[in-house]
Amino acid sequence: GAVVSQHPSWVICKSGTSVKIECRSLDFQATTMFWYRQFPKQSLMLMATSNEGSKATYEQGVEKDKFLINHASLTLSTLTVTSAHPEDSSFYICSARLGTGVGQPQHFGDGTRLSIL
Amino acid sequence: QKEVEQDPGPLSVPEGAIVSLNCTYSNSAFQYFMWYRQYSRKGPELLMYTYSSGNKEDGRFTAQVDKSSKYISLFIRDSQPSDSATYLCAMSASRGSNYKLTFGKGTLLTVNP
Repeated sequence: GAVVSQHPSWVICKSGTSVKIECRSLDFQATTMFWYRQFPKQSLMLMATSNEGSKATYEQGVEKDKFLINHASLTLSTLTVTSAHPEDSSFYICSARLGTGVGQPQHFGDGTRLSIL
Repeated sequence: QKEVEQDPGPLSVPEGAIVSLNCTYSNSAFQYFMWYRQYSRKGPELLMYTYSSGNKEDGRFTAQVDKSSKYISLFIRDSQPSDSATYLCAMSASRGSNYKLTFGKGTLLTVNP
């Protein structure tokens, strides 16, 4: 069964709105979670690494003030797209490693389809 | 040269065929190798995970890693229409990189009944 839950699965909102996406690890603690963005027919692009209790690490070219990440507990990370515009429309996916052990793979949520009108 | 190269396909096979999917990479620091399956409008699902060189089998799926050639493969035996999806290879280096994944572009597979 799923080990990472993402909510909502689909959101449509007006330009200028801020949208929050939640990523939860189910039945395990995730000290590190990852946020990705995926455009149609393209692979996943890592946006940021979310660390519990500390600031997220953003990839080059990703606007920190635009994509706010909070990892306040060991089972929840949130991504807030602030003042969203149509160009922010995309498929956003989170992932978590099942543990801190060496080589634990990432497990992904089912993604959030964001459409900005 | 991109770090990970994967033929995007599309690949179309009849039901029951053996499917071979491949990726090559250039970064010799990669030690962990994964194959994910992604259905349309869903997140990637972990299929196979291997460390370093060797083979790993799980049901109809076999993953192979050849670090000397920087080449990884996924074989699907007795392919089913439900295997139709995009297959992504992914790899990561050691702990120091926080296990960030580098993905291939994905291969779109269609298994025809």
